[in-house]
Amino acid sequence: DAGVTQSPTHLIKTRGQQVTLRCSPKSGHDTVSWYQQALGQGPQFIFQYYEEEERQRGNFPDRFSGHQFPNYSSELNVNALLLGDSALYLCASSSTGGPSNQPQHFGDGTRLSIL
Amino acid sequence: GQQLNQSPQSMFIQEGEDVSMNCTSSSIFNTWLWYKQDPGEGPVLLIALYKAGELTSNGRLTAQFGITRKDSFLNISASIPSDVGIYFCAGRPRGSNYKLTFGKGTLLTVNP
Repeated sequence: DAGVTQSPTHLIKTRGQQVTLRCSPKSGHDTVSWYQQALGQGPQFIFQYYEEEERQRGNFPDRFSGHQFPNYSSELNVNALLLGDSALYLCASSSTGGPSNQPQHFGDGTRLSIL
Repeated sequence: GQQLNQSPQSMFIQEGEDVSMNCTSSSIFNTWLWYKQDPGEGPVLLIALYKAGELTSNGRLTAQFGITRKDSFLNISASIPSDVGIYFCAGRPRGSNYKLTFGKGTLLTVNP
């Protein structure tokens, strides 16, 4: 039973560029959340996708956007990259079927470095 | 916005000792979760708590959902070297079914 998978594992970009990160949820999960984890900090919620729509968003600018596909996989896009966007980007999946408080399971993340 | 205060920031203990860490908030949370993160990996769920006062165990780990719904603690008994890592509390604030708010983590080091 595959868990949450993310690609790529590492990425280096320069300021001003754009990046796309990808996530496949755990089998049986239909909801995908994205988090940004700066060094030495806890993850910060970016947004969550369900039924191909963004249904909650954290305190991140519009440069951060996402998409969810019919197979529940998801992409995180970041435009006009800044040095401060360097972080570990984590994808978490959960199942919306049943109680709304299903725990989220995380992938190993994409380490994004901005030069 | 909601913030979680997690303490201690770090702990250095001897193998076999018990460990306790906690998380507090100024606002009410409906769900408390405890995760462990190893270097180069994502957080792994340890324990999930859904009701005020709930006490749940997972092997040597025990966690409780505070009765005020504003705090939670995690205990690890008889620590072993593989317990090393960063432990995060996370909560789902009242009024938000989806977003998780995380603490800053507790770095645990176990000396064999």
